[in-house]
Amino acid sequence: EDQVTQSPEALRLQEGESSSLNCSYTVSGLRGLFWYRQDPGKGPEFLFTLYSAGEEKEKERLKATLTKKESFLHITAPKPEDSATYLCAVRILSNLFFGTGTRLTVIP
Amino acid sequence: EPEVTQTPSHQVTQMGQEVILRCVPISNHLYFYWYRQILGQKVEFLVSFYNNEISEKSEIFDDQFSVERPDGSNFTLKIRSTKLEDSAMYFCASSVDRWEGYTFGSGTRLTVV
Repeated sequence: EDQVTQSPEALRLQEGESSSLNCSYTVSGLRGLFWYRQDPGKGPEFLFTLYSAGEEKEKERLKATLTKKESFLHITAPKPEDSATYLCAVRILSNLFFGTGTRLTVIP
Repeated sequence: EPEVTQTPSHQVTQMGQEVILRCVPISNHLYFYWYRQILGQKVEFLVSFYNNEISEKSEIFDDQFSVERPDGSNFTLKIRSTKLEDSAMYFCASSVDRWEGYTFGSGTRLTVV
């Protein structure tokens, strides 16, 4: 069965303390891995798409990487405004299937 | 920046009533989607729509659900006879093509009482 697992479920960081979030997947025929940010009561906000192992993308303090089995979202020197739930999703056929997310809290 | 607009932001309805959730996708997008998120759970795929017909649907999207693009701008999700377990945030999304990331709306919180 296709699965997307994110860890940890929750992460508390001090401002400036870098860390990584993990998304592991077991899907056949992966057609893209997506990272989204979700603030409470809001819709997911698109961050990155990765298509092949070895690919990396960066945006401000965030960097996403992809291997054949997992993806990492690296957060460098986070700020309180980076606090959110980060969602990983894989594309199967033409639709996205989401993990349960990592709730990140950055403490000033 | 273009955005996906959803109305209403919150709807309360009685069990058994019909509801219509409305979405205005980004104007040059061709693919449209509905997802839902029950409180504390993952975002779940409901249905995708392209070229005025359903492309794919999940097991959740049973005969009680329907989608429509009544004109060139709106995309609607209808639930014919709501159940308590339909209470969730419903997100509309759109994309230029089927391979790029989707743009999600802010959602409609549906509460069935």
